[in-house]
Order: sequence, then C-alpha cells, then structure tokens
Amino acid sequence: KAGVTQTPRYLIKTRGQQVTLSCSPISGHRSVSWYQQTPGQGLQFLFEYFSETQRNKGNFPGRFSGRQFSNSRSEMNVSTLELGDSALYLCASSSGTDYQETQYFGPGTRLLVL
Amino acid sequence: KQEVTQIPAALSVPEGENLVLNCSFTDSAIYNLQWFRQDPGKGLTSLLLIQSSQREQTSGRLNASLDKSSGRSTLYIAASQPGDSATYLCAVEDGNYQLIWGAGTKLIIKP
Repeated sequence: KAGVTQTPRYLIKTRGQQVTLSCSPISGHRSVSWYQQTPGQGLQFLFEYFSETQRNKGNFPGRFSGRQFSNSRSEMNVSTLELGDSALYLCASSSGTDYQETQYFGPGTRLLVL
Repeated sequence: KQEVTQIPAALSVPEGENLVLNCSFTDSAIYNLQWFRQDPGKGLTSLLLIQSSQREQTSGRLNASLDKSSGRSTLYIAASQPGDSATYLCAVEDGNYQLIWGAGTKLIIKP
C-alpha cells in the first residue's frame, strides 16, 4: 500500500505570493491533518479534514486555508506569504474514525519564503 | 492548555547503551500518547502508540510507558545502535484528531 505523498517537496517563494501544497493520503484514509514544523515553534497543528469537511482547526491566521476533495486528497493554501511561513509542512492521514489509531505522515514540503 | 515537554533536548551516548527519553504533559485528559521518530529532512515515523488506558507498549528494542496521573511517559531504547540516531518526538492526542507535540530529543549514538 502506497504511503502518504506530498507535492512539491521543495518550494521557494517571495513575500506576498501565495502557495498551494498537495497531500495524497493512504488509500482508504478519509482524514488528513496538516502540521507546520519550524525550528522555533516545533510542530504545530494547522487543521484536519474528514470527508471534505474541516473538522478541527489550530491557531493559525486566516491566510492558512485548506480543502479536501472527494478522493480524500487535500490541499493547503497560504496567501500573502511572510518570511515566518518558511517551514516544513507535513500532512498525515488516518481513517479518521478511531482516536486510538496513529497518523501516517508524508515526507513534507519544505517552503522557503524570501 | 495542553503543553508537552521533552527532556533532554539532546543526548549523545556510545553504541550499545540502554537509554531513556522523557516526555511530560500538563493535562492528563488525553486519548493516547505517541512516540515518533524523525530523520533529518524527512517526515515522521510512528514508533509506539499508548492508549490512555494502557501503561506500556513494546516494539522490538523499544518500550514506552505512560503514567497519566503524573503526566509522564518514557521511551526506553535497549542496546542502542548508530541507526537509532534521529530526533524522537512525543505527542498527545487531545480527542480532536489533533496531536500536541513536544520539541523533541535529538539522539546521537556514537559507534
């Protein structure tokens, strides 16, 4: 069974631009969560989607948004990029129906904002 | 607000030693606690998941314990190997499919 895939793996943008990141979950998984990882703040939860609905949201500004498609693939969008948005963005998938199951992580997209 | 702390931030030990990584959390109302491993430039790999009703889980040379009442978990690695070098992260599940993370322990095993 294929793992979680994320595209692109690396991205360089300039301040003020917007960016869209993509995540394909493990086949059969309906929940996709997004996390931001930075050296200063560590790993922080962005949001979680289940069956095309945002089910939970972390404490990030509205510039960070996401969506999920009917095939469970998810996209995350960041508008008006700031230097502080430079980070590793990780997505994780799970069935979304059991709090006791682990999440499976993709390799991440490394975003650099200049 | 749940906070997760990991001590130490970094650890360097000779190959073959047994070692313990620590994780503490402030709110005992958790669904589970998970230990992950992260290799440089890569994503996260799940190592062990301990449900809130469990006291420990084992996988090979790894053993994780959970004491909800004291807000603590330990990850024990037996007979460490250079391939164990990585950053180890613990996270608690708050019941909303949201993992709350510690800052990690960077482990170096010297050959």
